[in-house]
Amino acid sequence: GAVVSQHPSRVICKSGTSVKIECRSLDFQATTMFWYRQFPKKSLMLMATSNEGSKATYEQGVEKDKFLINHASLTLSTLTVTSAHPEDSSFYICSASPLAGRGNEQFFGPGTRLTVL
Amino acid sequence: DAKTTQPNSMESNEEEPVHLPCNHSTISGTDYIHWYRQLPSQGPEYVIHGLTSNVNNRMASLAIAEDRKSSTLILHRATLRDAAVYYCILRDPFNTGNQFYFGTGTSLTVIP
Repeated sequence: GAVVSQHPSRVICKSGTSVKIECRSLDFQATTMFWYRQFPKKSLMLMATSNEGSKATYEQGVEKDKFLINHASLTLSTLTVTSAHPEDSSFYICSASPLAGRGNEQFFGPGTRLTVL
Repeated sequence: DAKTTQPNSMESNEEEPVHLPCNHSTISGTDYIHWYRQLPSQGPEYVIHGLTSNVNNRMASLAIAEDRKSSTLILHRATLRDAAVYYCILRDPFNTGNQFYFGTGTSLTVIP
């Protein structure tokens, strides 16, 4: 149990286009999901906290107009990278905390590799 | 958030025990100690967590110092599949945000 999926697993796009990444909790509900990005050989950097039914909370230095987050249901959050540029190329990872019980754990998705040409 | 300090890298021979240290001298009384690991090109995977007492599960053991200012993740018999980056993270469940902030982690190499 407690599986988180991401789609797509990898995406290549042209500079200036927008890319949407989905994060789903498959067997549990989550009021809160989190989005991270990770550059090669570096640690995960928390970008934002996605709250079901309300606006996301962004970490300092993360552009909210650049990285649009929507958490429309208790099992789905989406991250849209708008007007992507090569410097946005990264590994994007989401995580979710179960609504009930096991609140100390976060379950991570497998990640989405974004390459912007 | 309280900070953790881990060695950048460690090596272990296959089938030998591995002790991965983590220092967290500014830990608060309500911070849980979490360990996650990340294999290349994958999302992090939960390993273990604890508050004050030592913890055991099928993957590992967590030894927590009496003053809680340090902890050690113990892999009892390292296998090649244990080669990963191991992250020690503090989290306060009373923090409504429930965020995890990752440090640099320890890259574990397992030598056959």
